[in-house]
Amino acid sequence: AQSVAQPEDQVNVAEGNPLTVKCTYSVSGNPYLFWYVQYPNRGLQFLLKYITGDNLVKGSYGFEAEFNKSQTSFHLKKPSALVSDSALYFCAVRDRDRDDKIIFGKGTRLHILP
Amino acid sequence: DTGVSQDPRHKITKRGQNVTFRCDPISEHNRLYWYRQTLGQGPEFLTYFQNEAQLEKSRLLSDRFSAERPKGSFSTLEIQRTEQGDSAMYLCASSLEGGLGHNEQFFGPGTRLTVL
Repeated sequence: AQSVAQPEDQVNVAEGNPLTVKCTYSVSGNPYLFWYVQYPNRGLQFLLKYITGDNLVKGSYGFEAEFNKSQTSFHLKKPSALVSDSALYFCAVRDRDRDDKIIFGKGTRLHILP
Repeated sequence: DTGVSQDPRHKITKRGQNVTFRCDPISEHNRLYWYRQTLGQGPEFLTYFQNEAQLEKSRLLSDRFSAERPKGSFSTLEIQRTEQGDSAMYLCASSLEGGLGHNEQFFGPGTRLTVL
């Protein structure tokens, strides 16, 4: 069965600094990987996904994520954080070899300090 | 607005009552998903539909829960004999799947259920 781990409940970063939100996954087959963001009182919004090909994926709002198969990781990154990036971030995985559901991590709250 | 909509946005009910939630997906999307989210947790999968067919149900979906998507468009999620443990945010999402399974899901704003 697939699973996702987000080891940090909260990440604090000063505005302008680079940020990283960590995610590791476990699937029996090959993964599709996703990042979503949730702002207060808003639904989850899609940020980016890894399907195949280039391990560095670029998404919305300047975010990118790097797929690392050997470490089974898909960390979310941004070179320069904005206060408006403060939100709850969810990593999710789907087993490519099964037409199946997406499993979400428990989320990481990102605080960007002005 | 052509996104996913959910109704109602908030529902307060007494224990033992039945509640029904509605989800209207993006019109051309063939897949519809229901999730439950509690504080400090990510969305937990409940069930999903491919058009009108319910393809999978989580073990979280007890006999008190039932979901339908009768015409392959909107969906309803009913909870019978609600319990305080049912209090959560219920999220609906939709996607357009062509068989490869890698398309992102678009989420609605959720229905927050409080069982007193």
